[in-house]
Amino acid sequence: SQKIEQNSEALNIQEGKTATLTCNYTNYSPAYLQWYRQDPGRGPVFLLLIRENEKEKRKERLKVTFDTTLKQSLFHITASQPADSATYLCALYQGGKLIFGQGTELSVKP
Amino acid sequence: DTGVSQDPRHKITKRGQNVTFRCDPISEHNRLYWYRQTLGQGPEFLTYFQNEAQLEKSRLLSDRFSAERPKGSFSTLEIQRTEQGDSAMYLCASIRLIGYRGQETQYFGPGTRLLVL
Repeated sequence: SQKIEQNSEALNIQEGKTATLTCNYTNYSPAYLQWYRQDPGRGPVFLLLIRENEKEKRKERLKVTFDTTLKQSLFHITASQPADSATYLCALYQGGKLIFGQGTELSVKP
Repeated sequence: DTGVSQDPRHKITKRGQNVTFRCDPISEHNRLYWYRQTLGQGPEFLTYFQNEAQLEKSRLLSDRFSAERPKGSFSTLEIQRTEQGDSAMYLCASIRLIGYRGQETQYFGPGTRLLVL
């Protein structure tokens, strides 16, 4: 069966550290993968997109890797800040639509 | 604010009632998606439109659910005979596609939170 799995446990880290979130998938062949941020009671907001032929993408303090052999994407936030506290969603693009993971809640403590 | 609006933001209804939600996408966006999200889960695809044509419906979309996009602009999602299991956040998103290329980022609205008592 097709599955997308993110760290189910909430991630608690200290301000200034690097947060690393994982997204694993099975039985998909996505053309690209996206990461979104979602704050409580709000809609998801796009952060980064990485294509199947790209290994790594960066944007400011954010970095995404994509390993199509391992069927895994890692999402890193360096020099994390309390304002980075939110739920982070990975999503695969397949068949004209996005398929989302369940999200990982990140809490950055000052 | 992404430019996608949804109305209402919150809806409380009694079991068995019908409800209708509206989504106004970004004006030049030709593709519109509906998702449902329950607590602790990611958004689940329900259906999408390319202009006014409904291209795909999820198996999650029972015959109590219907969606329209009559003029290729705003869209409505109606739930008939609501059940407590319909309680969720209903999200709308839009993108602009030209042929097979175009923006791939989906712009989400703030969602409509439905509570069925």
